[in-house]
Amino acid sequence: GENVEQHPSTLSVQEGDSAVIKCTYSDSASNYFPWYKQELGKRPQLIIDIRSNVGEKKDQRIAVTLNKTAKHFSLHITETQPEDSAVYFCAAESGGSQGNLIFGKGTKLSVKP
Amino acid sequence: DAGVIQSPRHEVTEMGQEVTLRCKPISGHDYLFWYRQTMMRGLELLIYFNNNVPIDDSGMPEDRFSAKMPNASFSTLKIQPSEPRDSAVYFCASSKAVVNTGELFFGEGSRLTVL
Repeated sequence: GENVEQHPSTLSVQEGDSAVIKCTYSDSASNYFPWYKQELGKRPQLIIDIRSNVGEKKDQRIAVTLNKTAKHFSLHITETQPEDSAVYFCAAESGGSQGNLIFGKGTKLSVKP
Repeated sequence: DAGVIQSPRHEVTEMGQEVTLRCKPISGHDYLFWYRQTMMRGLELLIYFNNNVPIDDSGMPEDRFSAKMPNASFSTLKIQPSEPRDSAVYFCASSKAVVNTGELFFGEGSRLTVL
């Protein structure tokens, strides 16, 4: 089955700097890769996703890149702000069933003012 | 729509007691998922349903865990008997179609503490 590895587990940046979180996956049949943001004590919420037919997707300060050959994808946040502080999870569709997502263990991002 | 609704939000119980967690998915969503979140293991999929039918329960830890979905608007996750290692936040989530075509919406979670 699918296995998703996420790095780093914690990341601290200064406000205004960029943050990059990387994930690798194992199932070459996976075609869908979302990113979720979870603020302290809240539910995970989708912030951006990418499908395997594109290599990059951007939404304002957030971008995601995908390398299907290497089986890795990354989240890039530019001009970070204190409200970006949260735990970020990458996920990959479980290619075999198309019915569920397998999540990475999360990255705790702290943006210092 | 009110979103995915879970109850209780918090539950503290003693080892050996039965725990029942409840979930109401978003109306019209055909898929329902139960996840468990811990610091050590992150977000783990326990089981998911499509049109009320369990599709994959390979993530259910052991026979102490069971899940049902008697109709399109209600699901339960039961732990009997509960153990301290079951302490976690349990999330229910739903989606309109297969996960690669749309967003997975999470409930607020049920924080379970087993003493």
